[in-house]
Amino acid sequence: GENVEQHPSTLSVQEGDSAVIKCTYSDSASNYFPWYKQELGKRPQLIIDIRSNVGEKKDQRIAVTLNKTAKHFSLHITETQPEDSAVYFCAATFSSNDYKLSFGAGTTVTVRA
Amino acid sequence: DGGITQSPKYLFRKEGQNVTLSCEQNLNHDAMYWYRQDPGQGLRLIYYSQIVNDFQKGDIAEGYSVSREKKESFPLTVTSAQKNPTAFYLCASSTQGGNQPQHFGDGTRLSIL
Repeated sequence: GENVEQHPSTLSVQEGDSAVIKCTYSDSASNYFPWYKQELGKRPQLIIDIRSNVGEKKDQRIAVTLNKTAKHFSLHITETQPEDSAVYFCAATFSSNDYKLSFGAGTTVTVRA
Repeated sequence: DGGITQSPKYLFRKEGQNVTLSCEQNLNHDAMYWYRQDPGQGLRLIYYSQIVNDFQKGDIAEGYSVSREKKESFPLTVTSAQKNPTAFYLCASSTQGGNQPQHFGDGTRLSIL
């Protein structure tokens, strides 16, 4: 099945700096890559997603890049703010069953004021 | 998302007891999912349903059961066969077809008495 690895597991950044989280996946035919943000004790919320026919997507301070050849995708947060502190999860669908999402283990991001 | 309601928020299970977690959605989504989240880990798929009266096992289905008698509802039963049920359980839904964003409920935290 699909295997998604996420790095780093924890990330501490100064407010205003950028944060980058990287995920690698094993299924070269995966087509859909969402990113979720989860605050403590709350639901994961979709913040951005990208499909395999696109290399980059931006939404204000958040961007995701996809390198299909290398089988990795990354989340970039610019001008970080304290409210960006949360756990971020990447995920990828299985090419054999695109209803199923395989999640990374998560990255705990702390933005220092 | 306000359209997915999970209840109860907290649940306690006694030894040998079956408990049922509720998940209701008013988003008119065809697909629904149950995930388990353990501390420091990503989400793991328990069961999913692409359409009413049909469901499939995910990666960790042992000790769990589901039903999908109505489009809006996808209850999860944690049976006594699940020896380590303490976790945060998340329900999600998505529109028909694969590679679609999944939207989550607020979760149920299950503990053992």
